[in-house]
Amino acid sequence: AQSVTQLDSHVSVSEGTPVLLRCNYSSSYSPSLFWYVQHPNKGLQLLLKYTSAATLVKGINGFEAEFKKSETSFHLTKPSAHMSDAAEYFCVVSDEKWDGGATNKLIFGTGTLLAVQP
Amino acid sequence: DGGITQSPKYLFRKEGQNVTLSCEQNLNHDAMYWYRQDPGQGLRLIYYSQIVNDFQKGDIAEGYSVSREKKESFPLTVTSAQKNPTAFYLCASSTRGSGRAGEQFFGPGTRLTVL
Repeated sequence: AQSVTQLDSHVSVSEGTPVLLRCNYSSSYSPSLFWYVQHPNKGLQLLLKYTSAATLVKGINGFEAEFKKSETSFHLTKPSAHMSDAAEYFCVVSDEKWDGGATNKLIFGTGTLLAVQP
Repeated sequence: DGGITQSPKYLFRKEGQNVTLSCEQNLNHDAMYWYRQDPGQGLRLIYYSQIVNDFQKGDIAEGYSVSREKKESFPLTVTSAQKNPTAFYLCASSTRGSGRAGEQFFGPGTRLTVL
């Protein structure tokens, strides 16, 4: 069964310093992987997605993630944090089923809360 | 503008009452989903529907019910059988393709509080 583990529940950085949010996945198949961001009391917004094309995926707002199959990781990075990046981030894996059906179900990690200090 | 709307934004319910949360989308998506979010637990799937007049239970369907009579609407009813309904509820939609899962688009959420 597919799963994701977000290794840090809270990350705090200073404005202008790099951001690293860690995610490991488990999948029997070659997965689709996503990072979503959620600002307080809001819905989720897609930052980026990996679907077996380039292993380095660029997303919105300067974020990127690298798919590393050997390490089963999909860490999210940004070179320089901005105050507006403070939010909760979710690593997500697709629940693949190769029985001809497509559920489009997603499996969410428990989230990493990013704090950005001035 | 295309998107997903959820109403109300905040909802208060007395114990023993059923309440219905609204979710509407104008993205022409076939698939729609309901998630529950609790602090520290990520999102858990309640129900999903891949096509009109059809829906499946997710991981935590007990105490909830849904209907899918129209493509653009997927209301969720939280019944009195749901033991701990206080949570943030998120609706999402996506295209229904074959093979790999695609992006889901999320509404702004409804915060339900049981008094």
